[in-house]
Amino acid sequence: GESVGLHLPTLSVQEGDNSIINCAYSNSASDYFIWYKQESGKGPQFIIDIRSNMDKRQGQRVTVLLNKTVKHLSLQIAATQPGDSAVYFCAENYPPFGGTSYGKLTFGQGTILTVHP
Amino acid sequence: DAGVIQSPRHEVTEMGQEVTLRCKPISGHDYLFWYRQTMMRGLELLIYFNNNVPIDDSGMPEDRFSAKMPNASFSTLKIQPSEPRDSAVYFCASSLSGGLREKLFFGSGTQLSVL
Repeated sequence: GESVGLHLPTLSVQEGDNSIINCAYSNSASDYFIWYKQESGKGPQFIIDIRSNMDKRQGQRVTVLLNKTVKHLSLQIAATQPGDSAVYFCAENYPPFGGTSYGKLTFGQGTILTVHP
Repeated sequence: DAGVIQSPRHEVTEMGQEVTLRCKPISGHDYLFWYRQTMMRGLELLIYFNNNVPIDDSGMPEDRFSAKMPNASFSTLKIQPSEPRDSAVYFCASSLSGGLREKLFFGSGTQLSVL
């Protein structure tokens, strides 16, 4: 079956740098994508989402980019802080949201982000 | 709001024993999900409920697993009998229908170890 995968399992950056976490998805019909952050001993926490009719969405210090042509999703974190150290998951929603169907979120394997002070 | 509340936080049991995991969703949320997280398989959806009714249990590994939601504020995931390969972190999540209902709110999880 189709699944979401991540290019890089680990990413180490210096405090203050910008971080980019990548994700490849394989289901071209997925209509909604979410990035989650999971800190040690905690459940995943919603960061930002984007619908398939958008290419970019910005939040506070985070930006999600969606390239449907190559089925690629990225999360950019500006001025990365030690508190950003966590595992980051992308998730895709399929079947497409709407009507009476409820899409299922499929999670990628995760990328470990380590921020060095 | 206290968020999604799961208990226990940690459970250690012996193979063959019954294990019951508990979840209290966020008040007002009408969707409840059970996920399992392992290093090998990542986050897997086991089952989800809408208005206390199980909608899709295709992710439940086998008949040893069962889930119930007797009311809007409580759900259980039971494993009987438990096996070492069931060792994982089990997460409960809830969401609100309409709009961005896929925005799941997760609990802190139950770390299950089956010896």
